[in-house]
Amino acid sequence: AQSVTQPDIHITVSEGASLELRCNYSYGATPYLFWYVQSPGQGLQLLLKYFSGDTLVQGIKGFEAEFKRSQSSFNLRKPSVHWSDAAEYFCAVGARAAGNKLTFGGGTRVLVKP
Amino acid sequence: SAVISQKPSRDICQRGTSLTIQCQVDSQVTMMFWYRQQPGQSLTLIATANQGSEATYESGFVIDKFPISRPNLTFSTLTVSNMSPEDSSIYLCSVELAGGGYGYTFGSGTRLTVV
Repeated sequence: AQSVTQPDIHITVSEGASLELRCNYSYGATPYLFWYVQSPGQGLQLLLKYFSGDTLVQGIKGFEAEFKRSQSSFNLRKPSVHWSDAAEYFCAVGARAAGNKLTFGGGTRVLVKP
Repeated sequence: SAVISQKPSRDICQRGTSLTIQCQVDSQVTMMFWYRQQPGQSLTLIATANQGSEATYESGFVIDKFPISRPNLTFSTLTVSNMSPEDSSIYLCSVELAGGGYGYTFGSGTRLTVV
C-alpha cells in the first residue's frame, strides 16, 4: 500500500525567506507525486506534479519540487515566501496500479510572519 | 482543467437527517472521487464514483452510510445518511484533469456541521 508522510505539522517563516516542506512516500514502484495547497476555507489547488523525467519540477506560484528516488522524497520549495502563501500544503501519491487513487499526507500548515 | 461546481458549499444539519451533496463538472470525465476531510485532518478517500454502476468504497466506508450516484460522466452525488456530529467534515469531489496526463482537480468542498 502507498503512504505519505509530512514530518512537519507547522512551519513558520518570515515573509521573503525561503521555504521547504518535506514529503516522504512509500510505494513499491515509481509513484506519481503531487503537491496541493489549501487556503483557509478553500478547496485544493494543484501546485505541481511529477510523473517521470526531470526530477526538478516547476509549478505555479513560484514553487518547485525535487524528486529523490534514493530518499523516497518529494520536497517542495519556494525561494521567497509571500504573505499569501500562508496555507495548508498537502503532498499526495498516486499510481495507476492503485486504481488512480490519491493518498494524502497529513499536511503542513505554513504561517508567514511579516 | 475541468471546472467543478459543488453544492451546497456549507450546511448545518440536525443529527439523524441526511444531506445530499452534488458535484457537477463542465466536461466529461472518466474518474470521479469523493473525499472527506475531518476538522484539522488530511483528506481520506471515501469512494470512487463509477458511471452506471455501484461506487467502489474504501475500507471503513459503506454504501448505507454514504450512498453515491453517478448517472453520467459529468455529475455525481454523495449522500451522508443518518448524520451524527462525527460526520462534521469537509466533503470534496475530485475529478481527473482534462487533457491527458495524470492528476486530479478538486471542487471547493462542502463544509458540513452536524448538531
